Amino acid sequence: AQTVTQSQPEMSVQEAETVTLSCTYDTSENNYYLFWYKQPPSRQMILVIRQEAYKQQNATENRFSVNFQKAAKSFSLKISDSQLGDTAMYFCAFMKLTDSNSGYALNFGKGTSLLVTP
Amino acid sequence: DAGITQSPRYKITETGRQVTLMCHQTWSHSYMFWYRQDLGHGLRLIYYSAAADITDKGEVPDGYVVSRSKTENFPLTLESATRSQTSVYFCASVGVTEAFFGQGTRLTVV
Repeated sequence: AQTVTQSQPEMSVQEAETVTLSCTYDTSENNYYLFWYKQPPSRQMILVIRQEAYKQQNATENRFSVNFQKAAKSFSLKISDSQLGDTAMYFCAFMKLTDSNSGYALNFGKGTSLLVTP
Repeated sequence: DAGITQSPRYKITETGRQVTLMCHQTWSHSYMFWYRQDLGHGLRLIYYSAAADITDKGEVPDGYVVSRSKTENFPLTLESATRSQTSVYFCASVGVTEAFFGQGTRLTVV
């Protein structure tokens, strides 16, 4: 089974600063997707960023970027110029591509609660 | 409107009662998932479905039943609700490169 580990239950950052959230995963698969989802108090799960394992280039979405280290099975999220609206729970997720010989996986870490302070 | 919807958004029920949470998606995605979210546990997989009439257990299936007679619907039933099933429940459907989530159902068992 693929496991996803987020080692930081809570983090805090000041507005306009940069913060990095850590995520490691365990898999024997070669093709898969990794995600960071944001869950604000509204409870809605919002996709922040996506990384395809076969792409070496790290994904970037505006102020959000990842550091994807496939060999180390590490997938950290960097938030630059933090804003008060970034306050939320962040989940790292692993998704295995469909394979007719094995099951499907969409596994989540336990989450990191990020607080952005003025 | 295209999307994935869950109903109800909030539900209070008594111990021992049967409760069904509904999930409907409009994309005709093959894969659908049910998770429960509890503080300190993240999202734990209850059941998933690869297609209509194909379902499989996840990490925490005990006390839950699912069905998938149509591709667009994936209801989750608590056969006899217990207080330990008080939680927030999320349904998700998976496209080619992304998982889409419903708004969640907050279930309280008293």
